[in-house]
Amino acid sequence: SYELTQPPSVSVSPGQTARITCSGDALPKKYAYWYHQRSGQAPVLFIYDDTERPSGIPERFSGSSSGTVATLTIDGAQVEDEGDYYCYSTDNSGVEWLFGGGTKLTVL
Amino acid sequence: QVTLKESGPVLVKPTETLTLTCSVSGFSLSNAEMGVSWIRQPPGKALQWLAHIFSTDEKSYTKSLRNRLFISRDTSKSQVVLSMTNVDPVDTATYYCARISTTMTPGGFYYYMDVWGRGTVVTVSS
Repeated sequence: SYELTQPPSVSVSPGQTARITCSGDALPKKYAYWYHQRSGQAPVLFIYDDTERPSGIPERFSGSSSGTVATLTIDGAQVEDEGDYYCYSTDNSGVEWLFGGGTKLTVL
Repeated sequence: QVTLKESGPVLVKPTETLTLTCSVSGFSLSNAEMGVSWIRQPPGKALQWLAHIFSTDEKSYTKSLRNRLFISRDTSKSQVVLSMTNVDPVDTATYYCARISTTMTPGGFYYYMDVWGRGTVVTVSS
C-alpha cells in the first residue's frame, strides 16, 4: 500500500531554518499539503498545493516539491512553531487519501 | 465563518456500532465540489483519513476499513454521519471531521481538508 514517509523528529535552535521532508512515489504527480498540530488541538492547514500559504500563515513557512520529495521549510523557526507536522496527499489514482507519519518539531 | 463540530458517544463497547455526527455551518453540503472528510487519530499516533462524501453523494473509504465504514449526509440538517461497525479497542481515537476544498487544474482536481472540527474523543472498552 502507498505510504508517505516523514522523519519522526526535527530539532533546531530558535532563528535557524527547519526543513521537514515527506517522501512518496506519487508526489511527482500529486500535490502535497502540510498541517500543523499542537498538543491537544486539531490540525491546521499551513501549506496547500505544494507551495501555497493560506491567509494568516506566517511568511516564514514555505513549501516545495521536487521529484518524490515534498519539503516544508521554516525560515527562522520560533518556539511557537513547535508541534507535530503532517504531510498529506493521495495515491496516483487519487482514491486513497493519506497522511504521513508526522514529524515532531522541537525549537530550543 | 466555516465551522464543523463532531458529536457522538464518549464510550463504546467492543463489537458495537459507533455513530458520529459532523454538524457544519458557513457552507452548504449541496454546493458543487463541496465535501466532508472524517479523519481519526489514536492517542500518540498519526492522523488517518477514514472516508469522505461529496455534494454529488460520491463516497470513498480507506481500504483497510472499507467493510466497516458507512458515510452519509443530510443536507437539510447540514450534517454528515459516519458509522463504524464492530468496533475494537484499537478504534479508540480522536475523530475529526473536516471540510474538503478543491483545486482545479488542467491536469485534474486536487482535494484536501482546509477547515477542521475540534474533534471528539471516543474510547472503545468493555
